[in-house]
Amino acid sequence: AQRVTQPEKLLSVFKGAPVELKCNYSYSGSPELFWYVQYSRQRLQLLLRHISRESIKGFTADLNKGETSFHLKKPFAQEEDSAMYYCALSGQSFQKLVFGTGTRLLVSP
Amino acid sequence: SQTIHQWPATLVQPVGSPLSLECTVEGTSNPNLYWYRQAAGRGLQLLFYSVGIGQISSEVPQNLSASRPQDRQFILSSKKLLLSDSGFYLCAWAGAAEAFFGQGTRLTVV
Repeated sequence: AQRVTQPEKLLSVFKGAPVELKCNYSYSGSPELFWYVQYSRQRLQLLLRHISRESIKGFTADLNKGETSFHLKKPFAQEEDSAMYYCALSGQSFQKLVFGTGTRLLVSP
Repeated sequence: SQTIHQWPATLVQPVGSPLSLECTVEGTSNPNLYWYRQAAGRGLQLLFYSVGIGQISSEVPQNLSASRPQDRQFILSSKKLLLSDSGFYLCAWAGAAEAFFGQGTRLTVV
């Protein structure tokens, strides 16, 4: 079965603090993992994907196959990072795309 | 460029009435298409996905169905709406490695 778990519904931090949004997955094959973000009154959009090994807006995420995790990290949170973050998993050929329940990140001044 | 259209943006329907939400994609061919339901605390629940015309995979057995009559058209339907069908429905399409989402439809069943 294809499953994504985001254990935190809400993560509240102060500006400048480090952030880690947790994501664990369950998948029998080779997963493709993504982080999507939804800012207030905007459409859901891709933040980053594990295959690109990129850093977007200061965020990074490393796929750990041993721990089946894909946690999202940022060393210094900014107020504009406040949004809803979803971890997502697809199998090969990008067919079935499954999302976690999401984590709301709130960055306070 | 690719775009995705989903309509209507909001819809109020009485219990027992039929439903038809439409989603169309422009600027790409043979996309994977998805219907999700977004609810607070439950995230994005995958309802249906389609990898081609007439090919529908159902993830959650419920009072809804989906159809793909054309390559870039995906329809979410119900013959008789229930109160529990109220929610926010999102259509998405995916290419090689990324999914793009529509604006969503807020459905209220009264």
